[in-house]
Amino acid sequence: NAGVTQTPKFQVLKTGQSMTLQCAQDMNHEYMSWYRQDPGMGLRLIHYSVGAGITDQGEVPNGYNVSRSTTEDFPLRLLSAAPSQTSVYFCASSYGFGTGHLPNYGYTFGSGTRLTVV
Amino acid sequence: RKEVEQDPGPFNVPEGATVAFNCTYSNSASQSFFWYRQDCRKEPKLLMSVYSSGNEDGRFTAQLNRASQYISLLIRDSKLSDSATYLCVVGRSGTYKYIFGTGTRLKVLA
Repeated sequence: NAGVTQTPKFQVLKTGQSMTLQCAQDMNHEYMSWYRQDPGMGLRLIHYSVGAGITDQGEVPNGYNVSRSTTEDFPLRLLSAAPSQTSVYFCASSYGFGTGHLPNYGYTFGSGTRLTVV
Repeated sequence: RKEVEQDPGPFNVPEGATVAFNCTYSNSASQSFFWYRQDCRKEPKLLMSVYSSGNEDGRFTAQLNRASQYISLLIRDSKLSDSATYLCVVGRSGTYKYIFGTGTRLKVLA
């Protein structure tokens, strides 16, 4: 059982280049999200999806696009890379979101992508 | 004010000590609460969910205080392997969004 798989693990981009960070999960989780982690800032939500065909913005969506054509895959696209996008990116998935009477389900994270934009 | 706040530490404790972390949240309607552990240069991993009645998992105890809007994590009999950053996570009510604290760093010393 692979869990959440992210590729690539490391990437260096030049300013203005575009690229796609891949994320796939094999746990049949409906909920997937992308976070970036910067020193002193914690993890900040970029985009999330509550199911195939449904995506929404998080706290810091500018400069990023997502799509969710299947339950398994949730790629993150950087449209025109900027040095401010240098960060560690984590994809995460969850079986569900605890609200009220529902159980609280946590995230399973991928191992991360370390992106440097020069 | 941040929505979820944690003391960044580091907390330096000797092996065998008991250590406690608090995390405060500002949204009184928050519904879901978790503690995650993150080792250096690794992904966060779920340590435990936090329930209203409090819950325990071995040496770890989590508590939720809704009136004062904080959650706590107590680690008993600290091990060297407990050295990590502990992240507090709160589910924002009415949304599908989890908000992370910036983490509290723990160092357990031999």
